[in-house]
Amino acid sequence: IQMAQSPSSLSASIGDTVTITCRASQDIRNDLGWYQHKTGKAPKLLISGASSLQSGVPPRFSGSGSGTDFTLTISNLQPEDFVTYYCLQDYSFPYTFGQGTKLEI
Amino acid sequence: EERLADSGGGLVQPGQSLRLSCSASGFTFGDYGMTWIRQAPGKGLEWVGFIRRKQLGGTTEHDASVKGRFTISRDDSKSIVYLQMNSLKIEDSAVYYCTRNSWQPSNPIDAFDVWGQGILVTVS
Repeated sequence: IQMAQSPSSLSASIGDTVTITCRASQDIRNDLGWYQHKTGKAPKLLISGASSLQSGVPPRFSGSGSGTDFTLTISNLQPEDFVTYYCLQDYSFPYTFGQGTKLEI
Repeated sequence: EERLADSGGGLVQPGQSLRLSCSASGFTFGDYGMTWIRQAPGKGLEWVGFIRRKQLGGTTEHDASVKGRFTISRDDSKSIVYLQMNSLKIEDSAVYYCTRNSWQPSNPIDAFDVWGQGILVTVS
């Protein structure tokens, strides 16, 4: 299953709201997660099951979608949010990541 | 605290082998599937492979890029998952992460909820 993530990079300002999208090459139900990756650190799970926010993740992060089209929305951007984000389909093996979106200030 | 600690990386020549280890603590290791993920320099995250928990057979899945060369195994008595990498290629150079799969019968959502710190493998 191919995951087409867009955009590959995104410029925004503190306080803005941004949306990142992932499109699957086939129906993956809601078997999609979103991960945040800061350079030099381990990635962090933000959202699983397309829309379930992980414990401890700020509510300004939200996910939606099912089937083939998914979105990650980050509202009220904070300085620590300007890192890279990935979607991952966990519907069938081999699991596959999107190409990543680098969020730049 | 639930933790994963990766170890065993380093510099090897093409064609050589290396074994990575990932030691778990703070949770019942045998209840979880485990996954290896990597990130090559300047590239995105790449799923490498997965091992099921013993109750589900302890079987493995691997990406086509490593199938036949990499093997994932686990020792539940030591709470360790291994990634045996043989016939290494230059393109296997990456930071390798072990992760825990969150899937449980009571909560059947699969996601990587605990991560190791990452270990660098350089093939040159």
